[in-house]
Amino acid sequence: GAGVSQTPSNKVTEKGKYVELRCDPISGHTALYWYRQSLGQGPEFLIYFQGTGAADDSGLPNDRFFAVRPEGSVSTLKIQRTERGDSAVYLCASSREGNSPLHFGNGTRLTVT
Amino acid sequence: KQEVTQIPAALSVPEGENLVLNCSFTDSAIYNLQWFRQDPGKGLTSLLLIQSSQREQTSGRLNASLDKSSGRSTLYIAASQPGDSATYLCAVRPSNYGQNFVFGPGTRLSVLP
Repeated sequence: GAGVSQTPSNKVTEKGKYVELRCDPISGHTALYWYRQSLGQGPEFLIYFQGTGAADDSGLPNDRFFAVRPEGSVSTLKIQRTERGDSAVYLCASSREGNSPLHFGNGTRLTVT
Repeated sequence: KQEVTQIPAALSVPEGENLVLNCSFTDSAIYNLQWFRQDPGKGLTSLLLIQSSQREQTSGRLNASLDKSSGRSTLYIAASQPGDSATYLCAVRPSNYGQNFVFGPGTRLSVLP
């Protein structure tokens, strides 16, 4: 596709459940980022991939959060034992390489009830 | 640790006015700075990317400047239109640690017809 695609656009889950959020970056973009955004705030960094490897995962809040990018394209953000505080919009972005503009998807709105 | 602030938090102007949005960052060691626009319920759209060696970038009615040594950037919007109403965010990419972009909280702009 022409842009970054994120699925699902909305996800409602119960506290304690496991969720997976998917990101399809722009074709050929080697860098992929996950961010989390709460209402009225700027995006908060979670993890950055360069190719298949996580080059920087310093933003992951705890070990319930994990992300993969096995073939250097699609990435999945996985959240175990969800908590109400995990509710936010999860944004994915990609770029051709580290110093190029970031291109964002429309995000997945996660609501934990 | 890099911190990014944006002033004002919100701005309301009549159509046709020229306006300036401000972005400040605490650490001048950056690769680049990027300005984004975010419409409600949407992801971020890249507007302008300024590399650390550049002083300004222009795109249509938008002009972004960068003063790296003083830790400041401004986004100038000429002849504002109601369609410019959105939240504008700036983000910096540090050059001395991490690979992620650090975002400001954004300025919410309303252009009144």
